[in-house]
Amino acid sequence: AQSVTQPDARVTVSEGASLQLRCKYSYSGTPYLFWYVQYPRQGLQLLLKYYSGDPVVQGVNGFEAEFIKSNSSFHLRKASVHWSDSAVYFCAVSATGNTGKLIFGLGTTLQVQP
Amino acid sequence: EAAVTQSPRSKVAVTGGKVTLSCHQTNNHDYMYWYRQDTGHGLRLIHYSYVADSTEKGDIPDGYKASRPSQENFSLILELASLSQTAVYFCASSSGGNTEVFFGKGTRLTVV
Repeated sequence: AQSVTQPDARVTVSEGASLQLRCKYSYSGTPYLFWYVQYPRQGLQLLLKYYSGDPVVQGVNGFEAEFIKSNSSFHLRKASVHWSDSAVYFCAVSATGNTGKLIFGLGTTLQVQP
Repeated sequence: EAAVTQSPRSKVAVTGGKVTLSCHQTNNHDYMYWYRQDTGHGLRLIHYSYVADSTEKGDIPDGYKASRPSQENFSLILELASLSQTAVYFCASSSGGNTEVFFGKGTRLTVV
């Protein structure tokens, strides 16, 4: 069965520090992977997506993620975080079929300290 | 700009009452979805639809009905609201396949 695991429920980093949010997936076949961000009382916004090709994908606001098939991982990274990056981050995989359904991880709450 | 609009943004309902959550999209997307967000559970799919007048069950459909009267509109119906249905509900739309899914801002439902 398809699933997404985000092992860290909460991550706290200092402003200006680098960031890695972890994501591992379970999927038979070629996965389509996404990272979404949710700001307080807002909907989810797409940060980046991976379909194929270069395993390092660039997203908005300086975020990037690397697809490592051998490790079934799709970790999100940022070189230098800003206080405005504080939010909940969701990793997701597209379900099989052509429906656009997403399977989400539980999310990681990022708190950036000044 | 792609838009998914939900109404109401928040609602308090009484146990056993009927609740209707509405969603409208201007994306011209075929697919629409209702997700539920609970603390500790992430987002889970309740119902979805790929064409007007047809709906499909998602992963947690029990206690919910859905209605898609037009391409633009998709409603979630709780016929007999229960305390366990207190959650934040998100509507979303997409073109299907592995394209981007666009989310509304959510409806916070509290059942008392």
